[in-house]
Amino acid sequence: ETGVTQTPRHLVMGMTNKKSLKCEQHLGHNAMYWYKQSAKKPLELMFVYSLEERVENNSVPSRFSPECPNSSHLFLHLHTLQPEDSALYLCASSQDSGGDAPLHFGNGTRLTVT
Amino acid sequence: LAKTTQPISMDSYEGQEVNITCSHNNIATNDYITWYQQFPSQGPRFIIQGYKTKVTNEVASLFIPADRKSSTLSLPRVSLSDTAVYYCLVGDNYGQNFVFGPGTRLSVLP
Repeated sequence: ETGVTQTPRHLVMGMTNKKSLKCEQHLGHNAMYWYKQSAKKPLELMFVYSLEERVENNSVPSRFSPECPNSSHLFLHLHTLQPEDSALYLCASSQDSGGDAPLHFGNGTRLTVT
Repeated sequence: LAKTTQPISMDSYEGQEVNITCSHNNIATNDYITWYQQFPSQGPRFIIQGYKTKVTNEVASLFIPADRKSSTLSLPRVSLSDTAVYYCLVGDNYGQNFVFGPGTRLSVLP
């Protein structure tokens, strides 16, 4: 039990599909994050939410749309993706978004775009 | 861009102590230093965090010199299961805290 649960664990979708990734944290944290990890590349920060408000968006294409309905849940809505979007998508949470608050990660969703 | 520099890879043998050094020359006064471990197809896992001097927990020690421009993660008596990628991060303002570099790929050999 990692405290951060991501579903689904694996997802295969076509370029015209719409799907959503879900993340839930059971740690009472106030900040949540989406990261992308492509093969043999460092983790890329995509979105940061603090107290349900987006505070960081690292120039992510609009085909990725985050949603944070409350401090425990985070979604990543996907539409018209490209094959290069295939990657491991990781959700994380922290007590707050300060530099002294360690990140707690889920085990990710392995996304394959065909 | 990541604010840290680490060796890309390291090899060790079971039972040895492993020290991984991270350079962070531009560390700010309020920045903390945090280390994570990542196994394939899993999310990174928090190992240890420090601000200055030495921090020790049940899995590792973190040594930070007075100038805080580098830090060393020390793993005592590694085993095969310690084979993983280790990341060093330093804190900053919103969004800058959590920029991961390529990390150090540690291979523990029997």
